[in-house]
Amino acid sequence: KQEVTQIPAALSVPEGENLVLNCSFTDSAIYNLQWFRQDPGKGLTSLLLIQSSQREQTSGRLNASLDKSSGRSTLYIAASQPGDSATYLCAVTRTTDSWGKLQFGAGTQVVVTP
Amino acid sequence: DTAVSQTPKYLVTQMGNDKSIKCEQNLGHDTMYWYKQDSKKFLKIMFSYNNKELIINETVPNRFSPKSPDKAHLNLHINSLELGDSAVYFCASSPLAGSTDTQYFGPGTRLTVL
Repeated sequence: KQEVTQIPAALSVPEGENLVLNCSFTDSAIYNLQWFRQDPGKGLTSLLLIQSSQREQTSGRLNASLDKSSGRSTLYIAASQPGDSATYLCAVTRTTDSWGKLQFGAGTQVVVTP
Repeated sequence: DTAVSQTPKYLVTQMGNDKSIKCEQNLGHDTMYWYKQDSKKFLKIMFSYNNKELIINETVPNRFSPKSPDKAHLNLHINSLELGDSAVYFCASSPLAGSTDTQYFGPGTRLTVL
């Protein structure tokens, strides 16, 4: 059974600081890991997708790393801005789930203060 | 130009009623999903359809019945609503089931059962 855990559950930082969000998973047999952003009252927006064969992905100020053997991924957001305030969710697709079933963590709620 | 749309956005109803939520995607994707996000913010998959065929059917009460009239639409019908059904329901789509592509989420439908 796959369990996905995100720590911390909530995080508040002043603008300009770097954000570090952690995700761990218990079953290393994954196809990929994705990071999503959820704004209040809105759906999820995909930020980064890391294939199981990759170690990291980057998009602008965002960088996500993946260490499959230890069951961990970290999302770094450089030079945080108030607009980065949202809940960040990680999700994995296991190799035993051939239909793209995503298993989510509970999320990290981020507040960036001006 | 909304990629994945859901109606209604909010739904308030009495226990015991039957209700439907509709989802449409204009991305040309083959696969669509229904997720439930409970009060603790955990997102869990409920169903998935690939080209109108059911491919994922999680342990969900049979009061929930998905219907896919065509690959651009996936509706969710709920019979005999219970208090515990109160949640936000998200529809999502992806190009191919089991692919390495991300999933695109709708804005969610907040269901409140009184």
